[in-house]
Amino acid sequence: EAQVTQNPRYLITVTGKKLTVTCSQNMNHEYMSWYRQDPGLGLRQIYYSMNVEVTDKGDVPEGYKVSRKEKRNFPLILESPSPNQTSLYFCASSEGLRGGEAFFGQGTRLTVV
Amino acid sequence: GNSVTQMEGPVTLSEEAFLTINCTYTATGYPSLFWYVQYPGEGLQLLLKATKADDKGSNKGFEATYRKETTSFHLEKGSVQVSDSAVYFCALSRFGTGNQFYFGTGTSLTVIP
Repeated sequence: EAQVTQNPRYLITVTGKKLTVTCSQNMNHEYMSWYRQDPGLGLRQIYYSMNVEVTDKGDVPEGYKVSRKEKRNFPLILESPSPNQTSLYFCASSEGLRGGEAFFGQGTRLTVV
Repeated sequence: GNSVTQMEGPVTLSEEAFLTINCTYTATGYPSLFWYVQYPGEGLQLLLKATKADDKGSNKGFEATYRKETTSFHLEKGSVQVSDSAVYFCALSRFGTGNQFYFGTGTSLTVIP
């Protein structure tokens, strides 16, 4: 079954404690992205990757890092989380074709206290 | 730049009512257009898409037509059901820039029996 898997689904952490949210896809997609979803703001892209070792900033990259060492994995790293990073996060992958659909993970609800 | 503007919600309809959710976009080049649906506690799922002007996307009774002249992609359904209650996102993607997606803020739909 084609899917994007994120872990964990829920996470509560304290300010400043480094964390990683994992994302894996089994569709051999070149493109992967991270989004955050906040009420009234829709989804905003944090980082994206066009292929292994190729990453770039999206619209709201501050406070986040990513890496793409393997095609299937695209972890999101928060080196020093702050309360304004409390949000719902989604990983997505898409085909490298015009009009290619984005496939989304189930989401990670992060709370930073 | 690229952006999507969609109708503010929430929208509440009675079962079997007609649904329209307005979506307009701003984009350079020739974007692909999408409607995604998010059910409670889940990630986004593709509802329908259109990749060029005058294309009509359709799925599960929902339809949307890519109107380049009015830069619009309005979502319609002739007769909504309680099971259609969800949040609907309009989105565009531009091939060649990480297949980056731009999302509207989402429209919450509640259908009452």
